[in-house]
Amino acid sequence: ILNVEQSPQSLHVQEGDSTNFTCSFPSSNFYALHWYRWETAKSPEALFVMTLNGDEKKKGRISATLNTKEGYSYLYIKGSQPEDSATYLCAVAGNNRKLIWGLGTSLAVNP
Amino acid sequence: DAGVTQSPTHLIKTRGQHVTLRCSPISGHKSVSWYQQVLGQGPQFIFQYYEKEERGRGNFPDRFSARQFPNYSSELNVNALLLGDSALYLCANSRGGGSYNEQFFGPGTRLTVL
Repeated sequence: ILNVEQSPQSLHVQEGDSTNFTCSFPSSNFYALHWYRWETAKSPEALFVMTLNGDEKKKGRISATLNTKEGYSYLYIKGSQPEDSATYLCAVAGNNRKLIWGLGTSLAVNP
Repeated sequence: DAGVTQSPTHLIKTRGQHVTLRCSPISGHKSVSWYQQVLGQGPQFIFQYYEKEERGRGNFPDRFSARQFPNYSSELNVNALLLGDSALYLCANSRGGGSYNEQFFGPGTRLTVL
């Protein structure tokens, strides 16, 4: 059974801090990994889709890495801004190609 | 393009009733997935349809059903509603049917079962 775990559950940082969080999954059952940002009162928004071990993707101040051999992905935010406050969701597709979602990391950036 | 749209935005039903939720896709996006999100949990996968055929089904009872129409819009139906069906129901589109495709989400339908 594919189980996707995200840590920490929540995070409070000051504006300008850099931060990172983790998505863990069974390394033996991996097909693709998605990161989404979900702001309050909005729809989840795709950040990255990653499939290859060692993949690194970047969008502005946000970047992500993928290690399929050890079963984790890191999401980094450089110089956090208040508008980065959101829940960051990770979803992983295993061999059955169905996306399994983690519970998310709730980020609050204080001005 | 208006993006993914869902209707209604909010709905209140009583136990035992039936509900139909609707999703209109982004033009050219042929895959639709439905998710249930209960407060405090991540989205739970319910169904995926691609080119009008069911591609995947999550661990939900037979009271849940869905279909995709020739214009790629979709309906999610839930029969014999239970209190535990109260949740946010999200529809997501992608261009292709593979799970490596980026998903575009609608705003969701908030269902309350009394």
